[in-house]
Amino acid sequence: EAGVAQSPRYKIIEKRQSVAFWCNPISGHATLYWYQQILGQGPKLLIQFQNNGVVDDSQLPKDRFSAERLKGVDSTLKIQPAKLEDSAVYLCASSFASGGGEQYFGPGTRLTVT
Amino acid sequence: AQSVTQPDIHITVSEGASLELRCNYSYGATPYLFWYVQSPGQGLQLLLKYFSGDTLVQGIKGFEAEFKRSQSSFNLRKPSVHWSDAAEYFCAVAGSGNTGKLIFGQGTTLQVKP
Repeated sequence: EAGVAQSPRYKIIEKRQSVAFWCNPISGHATLYWYQQILGQGPKLLIQFQNNGVVDDSQLPKDRFSAERLKGVDSTLKIQPAKLEDSAVYLCASSFASGGGEQYFGPGTRLTVT
Repeated sequence: AQSVTQPDIHITVSEGASLELRCNYSYGATPYLFWYVQSPGQGLQLLLKYFSGDTLVQGIKGFEAEFKRSQSSFNLRKPSVHWSDAAEYFCAVAGSGNTGKLIFGQGTTLQVKP
């Protein structure tokens, strides 16, 4: 079966610009996660969707980050405007169900903000 | 609040030698614990998980981990390391409420000497 797809794989932007990342989860997976992984750190959850509803966005910087999963399938994460500290790898993961179900991770998008 | 500590940032072992990666967690109830591996440019892959029952858990690629409640530890072991095991390893605990949110440690980079 196809894995979690993410695009683009790499993105370089200047601070104050905007950027969007796309994720297509494994078919049939109801739960979708966006994690931010800063160099030298473990991934940190930004937002979790169950179908097209938000389960947890407590660590999403809502003044600049937004995410949507309109049809309960693919998802977009946006940053506007970007700051230098947003440089990180953005990982998308999906699982069949929440509550301990195995999460399958995409390859990530490496964002560099200059 | 839940947290995960991986005391070793970087470990180097010789090929064929045994390996133990340390993980300590902080969690009030019975934790759901995970070990993931991340190769360069790749997403995270689940090695093994502990939910309940037998405290010695077997995973893929010859890895195992032992849950020790008294020590709040979930150390990863492998009896004989292969060069292909060189990667970054993350320990994670499922957040409270078991929504699926994972809280990761900062990771341990494994280097394998020929």
